[in-house]
Amino acid sequence: AQTVTQSQPEMSVQEAETVTLSCTYDTSESDYYLFWYKQPPSRQMILVIRQEAYKQQNATENRFSVNFQKAAKSFSLKISDSQLGDAAMYFCAYREVEYGNKLVFGAGTILRVKS
Amino acid sequence: EPEVTQTPSHQVTQMGQEVILRCVPISNHLYFYWYRQILGQKVEFLVSFYNNEISEKSEIFDDQFSVERPDGSNFTLKIRSTKLEDSAMYFCASSEAPGLARTDTQYFGPGTRLTVL
Repeated sequence: AQTVTQSQPEMSVQEAETVTLSCTYDTSESDYYLFWYKQPPSRQMILVIRQEAYKQQNATENRFSVNFQKAAKSFSLKISDSQLGDAAMYFCAYREVEYGNKLVFGAGTILRVKS
Repeated sequence: EPEVTQTPSHQVTQMGQEVILRCVPISNHLYFYWYRQILGQKVEFLVSFYNNEISEKSEIFDDQFSVERPDGSNFTLKIRSTKLEDSAMYFCASSEAPGLARTDTQYFGPGTRLTVL
């Protein structure tokens, strides 16, 4: 079974600084999707960024970018110019392409942003 | 921008009672999901639904749970006889197509907080 591991229960960053959240996963598949979701205190799940495993280029969305290392099965999220509104729980998630569409989530990382 | 909606936002029920959680997926989406998140824990998959039938379900989704798409817009999760351990946040999600789109992404609703007393 696929597993997703987020080894950092909690991270802190100063406003305007850069922070990287780690995620590793385990799979025997060669094609899959990876996602980062943000969950603010309201507990709504908001898609931050997605990466298709067949693409070598790292995905970027404004201040958010990923470092996708397929061989290492690593998928870290970099947040640049951190803002107070970035404070939230961040979940890394994996999804197979061919066999079912469920998302498998990591345990999450709480990100605190200091002003 | 289209979004997934869920009602109610908070449901309080007595143990043993039936509850129905409601979701309205994004209108052109074909694939629907339920996930749950017990407080302080990770988000867990419950069930996926496509073409009016369950596509996949987890071990959590036992006989006490059922899903239905009663009309063209709603997608419901029913818990027949609630237990204390069913207390959690329940998220509905929808996606455009089951793997046909290379960027098939699940969009989540705001969740329903279920409290079983």
